[in-house]
Amino acid sequence: ETGVTQTPRHLVMGMTNKKSLKCEQHLGHNAMYWYKQSAKKPLELMFVYSLEERVENNSVPSRFSPECPNSSHLFLHLHTLQPEDSALYLCASSKSRVQRNSPLHFGNGTRLTVT
Amino acid sequence: KQEVTQIPAALSVPEGENLVLNCSFTDSAIYNLQWFRQDPGKGLTSLLLIQSSQREQTSGRLNASLDKSSGRSTLYIAASQPGDSATYLCAVPASGGYQKVTFGTGTKLQVIP
Repeated sequence: ETGVTQTPRHLVMGMTNKKSLKCEQHLGHNAMYWYKQSAKKPLELMFVYSLEERVENNSVPSRFSPECPNSSHLFLHLHTLQPEDSALYLCASSKSRVQRNSPLHFGNGTRLTVT
Repeated sequence: KQEVTQIPAALSVPEGENLVLNCSFTDSAIYNLQWFRQDPGKGLTSLLLIQSSQREQTSGRLNASLDKSSGRSTLYIAASQPGDSATYLCAVPASGGYQKVTFGTGTKLQVIP
């Protein structure tokens, strides 16, 4: 149990589908993050939320839409994706976005395949 | 722009050997440095965090060091075990916090029984 739970673990979707990834953290943290991990590439930070406010959007295409309804939940809404969007999507949390001794805690990810 | 390099990309060692994994970064204005392990198909597990003002951290058989001036961190694993087999990643947040984080591509470690 990592304290950060992601669902579903696996998702296969067509390019015209709409789906959502869910992340829930049970650690009382105030910051949550979406990362993308593609084969042979470093993890890429996609979105940052601090106290439910989006503070960073790293030039992510609009077909990815995040939502943070409260400090414990984070969603990533997906629509009209491309095959190159197939990857492992990881959610992470930390006590604060700016606390030096607060590590990032990751969930186990959602393996997304776009067909 | 921060660049993080981990060499070697893969490493295979016999059980019981002590080993060192390397992480190099180009911009010394860092927030902290974290080491993670990732098992196949899983998320990242935090191993050690070194604050930018610290030189090293220890947890069990693991010891991580940080030399900001040379842009290097090492993860030392003592008496390696087959259960240590995983990919090890280092992460370097920029000085402002976690809104800018650069990860290395990792070192895939195999410990042979």
